[in-house]
Amino acid sequence: DVKVTQSSRYLVKRTGEKVFLECVQDMDHENMFWYRQDPGLGLRLIYFSYDVKMKEKGDIPEGYSVSREKKERFSLILESASTNQTSMYLCASSSDRGGEKLFFGSGTQLSVL
Amino acid sequence: GQNIDQPTEMTATEGAIVQINCTYQTSGFNGLFWYQQHAGEAPTFLSYNVLDGLEEKGRFSSFLSRSKGYSYLLLKELQMKDSASYLCAVREGSNYQLIWGAGTKLIIKP
Repeated sequence: DVKVTQSSRYLVKRTGEKVFLECVQDMDHENMFWYRQDPGLGLRLIYFSYDVKMKEKGDIPEGYSVSREKKERFSLILESASTNQTSMYLCASSSDRGGEKLFFGSGTQLSVL
Repeated sequence: GQNIDQPTEMTATEGAIVQINCTYQTSGFNGLFWYQQHAGEAPTFLSYNVLDGLEEKGRFSSFLSRSKGYSYLLLKELQMKDSASYLCAVREGSNYQLIWGAGTKLIIKP
């Protein structure tokens, strides 16, 4: 079975902390994405990557950065966590540039206090 | 501007049929997707429509009308395990980015 694994299911952090969310895929996919999911809103793209060491901003990149040092791993970094970054974070990967079929991880529910 | 609308919540009975609608306003339409997301789980791909018409996959079918900016997901012979949120997403042009609706929570009652 293809798999996208997110390192933590639940995280609680304090305002101002630096937070790392890790995502690993075992499908040799070129494309990886970070979304956040909030009640009543559609998924919003934070950052994505088409290749190792490559990154592009999505719709809401402010307050976030990413790292892709290896093809299988895509990390999301909150430089200084704030309460408005409390959310469900979903990582996804795909083998097609258009993201035709996304494979999602189970998500990380982040609470910033 | 870009906009995708779908009902917030629907209720249906086990064994029945339900239709979940999705309307969109985008420029350069290049495909519509449906994903299923059970509570606390990852979204999983259900269907992809880029041409008008009905695509059938077992109990699930997806319909697209590009001229009307409209799609629906049809679920037949409903089972309790179909209780989930159903997410509609649209791709514009060659853009990698998908525009997502807020999702429809489907509740199945015995």
